[in-house]
Amino acid sequence: DIVMTQSPLSLPVTPGEPASISCRSSESLLHNNGYTYLDWYLQKPGQSPHLLISLASDRASGVPDRFSGSGSGTNFTLKISRVEAEDVGVYYCMQALQTVTFGQGTRLEIK
Amino acid sequence: QVQLVQSGAEVKKPGASAKVSCKASGYTFSSYYIHWVRQAPGQGLEWMGVIKPSSGGTNYGQKFQGRVTMTRDMSTSTVNMELSSLRSEDTAVYFCARGTEYFDWLGWGYWGQGTLVTVSS
Repeated sequence: DIVMTQSPLSLPVTPGEPASISCRSSESLLHNNGYTYLDWYLQKPGQSPHLLISLASDRASGVPDRFSGSGSGTNFTLKISRVEAEDVGVYYCMQALQTVTFGQGTRLEIK
Repeated sequence: QVQLVQSGAEVKKPGASAKVSCKASGYTFSSYYIHWVRQAPGQGLEWMGVIKPSSGGTNYGQKFQGRVTMTRDMSTSTVNMELSSLRSEDTAVYFCARGTEYFDWLGWGYWGQGTLVTVSS
């Protein structure tokens, strides 16, 4: 199985400040069709997860543009340009190149 | 609008089976894969498997092989996930989620509300 490793696991952030989450995969997530099979999800407290970013950098419909995804191969980053209180929750990266595996999750909290 | 509505919470005894349903609406049911993911209390997300509604074909996670069965009912646009030989470690919230039209395995833009399955003697 492809192992997904996120860091940090806990991320306290002051509102208005930027935040960054790293996700590394044990194998390249580049499909032979040229797309990178990496998603980012946010699970807010008490809710189902929802999609933020797909194919490493494509922001999902309705997702604020303060969220951005980047990276290739085995190294990926989710960035929030200015954190807001509503961004609290657990962020997961997910690979779908070989079945599906998730990172451990990064808990973002407001300072 | 697209909706995935799951069945209600269940309490089961060890060794029993649990069946969770996921009823789809607002789109062409046969066109999108449905994935199942679970989340134990206070833990992360764990993929269980996927079903292709148009054919009924499935792909199960290795951990669940032999214990999980995913089926679909085209007449009601419903996908079912049954987990057998339950043990306490199977206590979790179970989610269904839908893939995209072009990428069946990722871009899960729609999720069910989750179903809590509690395994307790």
